[in-house]
Amino acid sequence: EAGVAQSPRYKIIEKRQSVAFWCNPISGHATLYWYQQILGQGPKLLIQFQNNGVVDDSQLPKDRFSAERLKGVDSTLKIQPAKLEDSAVYLCASTHILQALNYGYTFGSGTRLTVV
Amino acid sequence: QKEVEQNSGPLSVPEGAIASLNCTYSDRGSQSFFWYRQYSGKSPELIMSIYSNGDKEDGRFTAQLNKASQYVSLLIRDSQPSDSATYLCAVITGTYKYIFGTGTRLKVLA
Repeated sequence: EAGVAQSPRYKIIEKRQSVAFWCNPISGHATLYWYQQILGQGPKLLIQFQNNGVVDDSQLPKDRFSAERLKGVDSTLKIQPAKLEDSAVYLCASTHILQALNYGYTFGSGTRLTVV
Repeated sequence: QKEVEQNSGPLSVPEGAIASLNCTYSDRGSQSFFWYRQYSGKSPELIMSIYSNGDKEDGRFTAQLNKASQYVSLLIRDSQPSDSATYLCAVITGTYKYIFGTGTRLKVLA
């Protein structure tokens, strides 16, 4: 079974620029999550999709962050404009929603964003 | 009070010893509990899950859950240098939110 694919692996941008991350979940996984992990902290949920609908985006800074999951498969997360405090690893994870209760998530390799 | 709390460490143990990692949570309605291991620069990987009070063993790992006291722990027996990593506790709360702790950094000294 192929894992969760993310790109790019690394990105360095200047503050106020925009950036986009891409995630392709495990085939058949209807539930997709974007997490932000700042160095030294645990992952923080930004947004959860069920198919192409948003289930939870309560911690997404909507003034600068946006995410979409067209066709219920791939997803993109965008930041515009970026701030220094957005420097973090952005992790994508996917699961069957019922399996999450028992088996947790499968994470992608993440995108490390540095804002300078 | 944080929803999921862990001591950030580092916790240093000698090779071959038992490493004990602890996690407390605030939502009494929480129902599923997980331990992830995260090597530096890598993504978290699931190593244990537990749902019922008591112990659950898997190889060198034992997860312990006490819902009355709202804590979950992870024991690693015969610790190896390769176990050196950050261990993240995750909880599915009563409102179905999946919350991670900040992680405990474990160092196993050869």
